[in-house]
Amino acid sequence: QVQLVQSGAEVKRPGSSVKLSCKASGAPFSSFLMSWVRQAPGQGLEWMGKIIPILGIRDYAENFQGRVNFTADIPTSTVYMELSSLRSGDTAIYYCARVLRSARTGTQSFDIWGQGTMVTVSS
Amino acid sequence: QSVLTQPPSVSAAPGQKVTISCSGSSSNIGNNYVSWYQQLPGSAPKLLIYDNNERPSGIPDRFSGSKSGTSATLDITGLQTGDEADYYCGTWDISLSGNVFGGGTKLTVL
Repeated sequence: QVQLVQSGAEVKRPGSSVKLSCKASGAPFSSFLMSWVRQAPGQGLEWMGKIIPILGIRDYAENFQGRVNFTADIPTSTVYMELSSLRSGDTAIYYCARVLRSARTGTQSFDIWGQGTMVTVSS
Repeated sequence: QSVLTQPPSVSAAPGQKVTISCSGSSSNIGNNYVSWYQQLPGSAPKLLIYDNNERPSGIPDRFSGSKSGTSATLDITGLQTGDEADYYCGTWDISLSGNVFGGGTKLTVL
């Protein structure tokens, strides 16, 4: 079955950057749309944006414009999320999620999730 | 502050039914389809409902969704202790040009 496996926990200093990975298996990567969603401790879900790896198309949420970059490596079926100028408010679990595009409506939801990567930003 | 509004918590006894609401506006729920996610403690979210009322393969029919105007609801019948989790609604927001979520509802099965 389709699986997304994410890289391990990170501890970063304020002002630095972090780059996380998410490796897919179990289905042709060429058909994937991938999103990143984060969750601060005890808080809800926040969508960061999406990438269509095979086309290199990226769409970032307003809150992260200019600070986030999604990339993909097709041969290894891996997507990456780099977040720069880190601050304490970026402390969160970061999830990658496959986008399910409904054949009936075209609406997008998130049907497969990675296990999450904890990023702690602290001086 | 989440774009979609959910009650912070709901509770019910095993075997009973619970309804979780999700309120939005014309820029999101009013003009788009809603999905629902279950997040068990310490786990990643799991898709329960998409397109307002469709269940992915493997999701029991105890879980159902509906939408009316700018609000959506998730119904869970035959509650089990294993249903204790946080539940999130989500949809696309036209004004924000992005996906948005509710703040989450913690379900307690008494």
